[in-house]
Amino acid sequence: KAGVTQTPRYLIKTRGQQVTLSCSPISGHRSVSWYQQTPGQGLQFLFEYFSETQRNKGNFPGRFSGRQFSNSRSEMNVSTLELGDSALYLCASCSGPYQETQYFGPGTRLLVL
Amino acid sequence: LAKTTQPISMDSYEGQEVNITCSHNNIATNDYITWYQQFPSQGPRFIIQGYKTKVTNEVASLFIPADRKSSTLSLPRVSLSDTAVYYCLVGEVGNKLTFGGGTRVLVKP
Repeated sequence: KAGVTQTPRYLIKTRGQQVTLSCSPISGHRSVSWYQQTPGQGLQFLFEYFSETQRNKGNFPGRFSGRQFSNSRSEMNVSTLELGDSALYLCASCSGPYQETQYFGPGTRLLVL
Repeated sequence: LAKTTQPISMDSYEGQEVNITCSHNNIATNDYITWYQQFPSQGPRFIIQGYKTKVTNEVASLFIPADRKSSTLSLPRVSLSDTAVYYCLVGEVGNKLTFGGGTRVLVKP
């Protein structure tokens, strides 16, 4: 079974731009979560989707948004990028509605200049 | 959400057993304990999960005392490739889990 895939793997943007990151969960998994990881703040939860509905949300500004499609693929969007948004963005999927075991993708490394 | 406390870092040598203890004094009745491993620039990888007593798999063992206020991840006979950050998470199934700072384990030759 293929693992969680994320595209693109690397991205360079400038301040003020917007970016869309994509995540394809493991086949059959319906829950997708997004995390931001930075050296200073560690791994921080952004949001979680299950069956196209956002179930949980972390403490991030409204510039961070996401959605999930009927095939469980998910996208995350960050608008009006700031330098502090430079981070590794990780996506994780679970097989069911409970986050017993999350399988993480390799991440998208975003650099904002 | 139950807060977890882990050592910031630990050093070990190849072939030794590494034990990482995580404190979670306010763990709730429905909370599970889960450990993840993360290598640089990669996503965390699930290692083991337990509720009480002892759980063992091909990678590690998890010891949970009766009061469940702490847990210990045991990595037998570590190798250089076990150098990573290890996260202890506590949470109720169905709720989002919070990653703490993790424990940076360095395995030396």
